[in-house]
Amino acid sequence: AQSVTQPDIHITVSEGASLELRCNYSYGATPYLFWYVQSPGQGLQLLLKYFSGDTLVQGIKGFEAEFKRSQSSFNLRKPSVHWSDAAEYFCAVGLNTNAGKSTFGDGTTLTVKP
Amino acid sequence: EPEVTQTPSHQVTQMGQEVILRCVPISNHLYFYWYRQILGQKVEFLVSFYNNEISEKSEIFDDQFSVERPDGSNFTLKIRSTKLEDSAMYFCASSPTAITGELFFGEGSRLTVL
Repeated sequence: AQSVTQPDIHITVSEGASLELRCNYSYGATPYLFWYVQSPGQGLQLLLKYFSGDTLVQGIKGFEAEFKRSQSSFNLRKPSVHWSDAAEYFCAVGLNTNAGKSTFGDGTTLTVKP
Repeated sequence: EPEVTQTPSHQVTQMGQEVILRCVPISNHLYFYWYRQILGQKVEFLVSFYNNEISEKSEIFDDQFSVERPDGSNFTLKIRSTKLEDSAMYFCASSPTAITGELFFGEGSRLTVL
């Protein structure tokens, strides 16, 4: 069965600083990988996805992620964080037979200091 | 921008009562999902639905749960006899395709079972 690990429960960065959120997955086949963001009291919003092709994917709100098969990782990055980026971030892996059946990580809560 | 809408946003019920959570997926989407998130825990897959039938369900989705698409727009999750451990945020999601699996989530329905 697939699994996702987000090693960092909580990260604090200063506004304007760079950000990297880590995600490691375990899946026997080619993974479908996603990052979602959840602001307080809201649903999850897709930031970006990877399922084939270029291993560096661009998403919304200035986020990008890099798929590294050798490390089983799909880390999320942003060069300059804004206060509005404070939220919870979830990495997820989908099956290649039913990609919408995703397994989510525990999430990483991002706090942005002024 | 089209969105997934869920009602109610919060429901409080007594243990043993039936609950129906409603969702209106994005109109041209064909794949529908329910996920749940128990407070402080991961987002968990419950069920996927396509072409008017369940395509996949998790171990959580036992006989107490059912889903239905009663008309062309609504997608419902019914819990027949609620238990305390059913208290969670329930998210509906839809997707235009099962191939790439990006999910469009609603804002969730919080269920509290007393």
